[in-house]
Amino acid sequence: AQSVTQLDSQVPVFEEAPVELRCNYSSSVSVYLFWYVQYPNQGLQLLLKYLSGSTLVKGINGFEAEFNKSQTSFHLRKPSVHISDTAEYFCAVSEWSGTSYGKLTFGQGTILTVHP
Amino acid sequence: DGGITQSPKYLFRKEGQNVTLSCEQNLNHDAMYWYRQDPGQGLRLIYYSQIVNDFQKGDIAEGYSVSREKKESFPLTVTSAQKNPTAFYLCASRESRGANSPLHFGNGTRLTVT
Repeated sequence: AQSVTQLDSQVPVFEEAPVELRCNYSSSVSVYLFWYVQYPNQGLQLLLKYLSGSTLVKGINGFEAEFNKSQTSFHLRKPSVHISDTAEYFCAVSEWSGTSYGKLTFGQGTILTVHP
Repeated sequence: DGGITQSPKYLFRKEGQNVTLSCEQNLNHDAMYWYRQDPGQGLRLIYYSQIVNDFQKGDIAEGYSVSREKKESFPLTVTSAQKNPTAFYLCASRESRGANSPLHFGNGTRLTVT
């Protein structure tokens, strides 16, 4: 069965500093990977996704993530954060299988707090 | 604009009462999902439906029920059998059942049961 671990529950950072939010997954088959962002009392919004091809994926709001198959990781990065990036971030994995409906499994979330 | 509408945004109920959360989408998506969110636990799948008149249990279906009579609508009923119903509930849809298709989310309903 697939699983997702987000290694940090909270990440505080100062404005304009770089940030990395870590995500590791486990799966016995090929996977698709996603990062979502959630602002307070709202739903989740897709930041970026890895389906195939280049392992470096660029998303909205200046975020990017790198798929590392050997380390089963999909870490999210941003070179310079803004106050408006304060939110909770979720990593998710979906297994590819001919018999699977494509269940999406979410990590526990990482709360990013950007301080002025 | 296409999207998913969840209503109401906040819902308060007394213990022992059933309550129904509404979810409507105009994205013409086949698949719809209900998730429950609790602090520090991520999102957990309650029920999903890949086509009208068909739905499947997710990981935490006990105490919940759903229906899918129309493509656009996927209401969730939280029954009195759900032991800890207070949570944030998220409805989502997906263009297809494929694993590479991302979910689109509504803005959630926060249910408080006292």
